[in-house]
Amino acid sequence: EAGVAQSPRYKIIEKRQSVAFWCNPISGHATLYWYQQILGQGPKLLIQFQNNGVVDDSQLPKDRFSAERLKGVDSTLKIQPAKLEDSAVYLCASSLRTGIADTQYFGPGTRLTVL
Amino acid sequence: QQQVKQSPQSLIVQKGGISIINCAYENTAFDYFPWYQQFPGKGPALLIAIRPDVSEKKEGRFTISFNKSAKQFSLHIMDSQPGDSATYFCAASSTGGYQKVTFGTGTKLQVIP
Repeated sequence: EAGVAQSPRYKIIEKRQSVAFWCNPISGHATLYWYQQILGQGPKLLIQFQNNGVVDDSQLPKDRFSAERLKGVDSTLKIQPAKLEDSAVYLCASSLRTGIADTQYFGPGTRLTVL
Repeated sequence: QQQVKQSPQSLIVQKGGISIINCAYENTAFDYFPWYQQFPGKGPALLIAIRPDVSEKKEGRFTISFNKSAKQFSLHIMDSQPGDSATYFCAASSTGGYQKVTFGTGTKLQVIP
């Protein structure tokens, strides 16, 4: 079974530029998560999709971050414009379903550096 | 109330020793407590998980101890090996509705030969 795929793996941008990350979850997984992991901290949930609908985006800075999951499969996370404090690893995870104690499978992450 | 506090921040253990990582939570609605292991350059991977209806769960060298009244839980790694060197995150979630996982701050474990 293929795991969660993410690209790019690394990205360096100047502040105020825009950037987009892509995630392909495990086939058949209905739930998709985007997390932000700042160095030395645990992952923080940014947004959670159930199929192609948003179930939680309470910690997403909506003035600069946006995410979509078209057709309930792949997802993109965008930052526009980026700030220095956005430097972090952005992790995508997926699980078979939600509402129960379901295992989340994480991708390798995209390391973003904002200069 | 959504916080999960984790300690220590870092831990050095000799090969063959016991590694112990502690976590505490406040939200009594949490009913699922997973531990994740993360190697450098990789995403976290589920290691072991427990529900509050049991006080202990063991899988191989890894054991979760759970104290519901104290709202604390811990991970014990028996016979620690250099290959266990990684960052460990405790987490908690409430499974009613949709599952939102709150992670601890992580413990960087180094097992020295």
